[in-house]
Amino acid sequence: GDSVTQMEGPVTLSEEAFLTINCTYTATGYPSLFWYVQYPGEGLQLLLKATKADDKGSNKGFEATYRKETTSFHLEKGSVQVSDSAVYFCALSDASVLGSRLTFGEGTQLTVNP
Amino acid sequence: EPEVTQTPSHQVTQMGQEVILRCVPISNHLYFYWYRQILGQKVEFLVSFYNNEISEKSEIFDDQFSVERPDGSNFTLKIRSTKLEDSAMYFCATSSGRAVGTDTQYFGPGTRLTVL
Repeated sequence: GDSVTQMEGPVTLSEEAFLTINCTYTATGYPSLFWYVQYPGEGLQLLLKATKADDKGSNKGFEATYRKETTSFHLEKGSVQVSDSAVYFCALSDASVLGSRLTFGEGTQLTVNP
Repeated sequence: EPEVTQTPSHQVTQMGQEVILRCVPISNHLYFYWYRQILGQKVEFLVSFYNNEISEKSEIFDDQFSVERPDGSNFTLKIRSTKLEDSAMYFCATSSGRAVGTDTQYFGPGTRLTVL
């Protein structure tokens, strides 16, 4: 079945550092890819998405590029802020099916120190 | 901006009791979902619901679980006889279901269920 693997956490960075959170996937079909973020005490919020190969999703300074050849969707941000501290989840769904389930990675806890 | 809401935010129950978790989807969305996240583990899919019936369910969604949309607005998850291992955060999500390939699920804030 489909699966998503994220880099092990937690990740601790200083403010203004560069962030990369790795995500790779295995899918039988042709997936859409997502990053969701969960701030402390809150639900899951969509951060960005990409629906086909070579698409780049971006939002709030975060970016991720859909790489079919490496089955990856790594999340990057050039300069993190304390307010970016949260848990980040990579996820996929079957792009060919309406109402397809999301399959999530393990989540990566990010802490940004001032 | 429209959002998914869930009630209650926290539910404490005794093992063997029935619980009902409630969700109000975004108004023009057609697909509804339940996920759960046991503390420290992945977010797991439970069930999806479309046109008043289950469209997909996972192996976790056994006979103890049921879903319905009783009044055209609320979407509920019922656990008939709770077990200790049902303790988790339960998330409702909805999607418009109008565009294959770009459909996006929007999540509620979750209900934390604690079974004692």
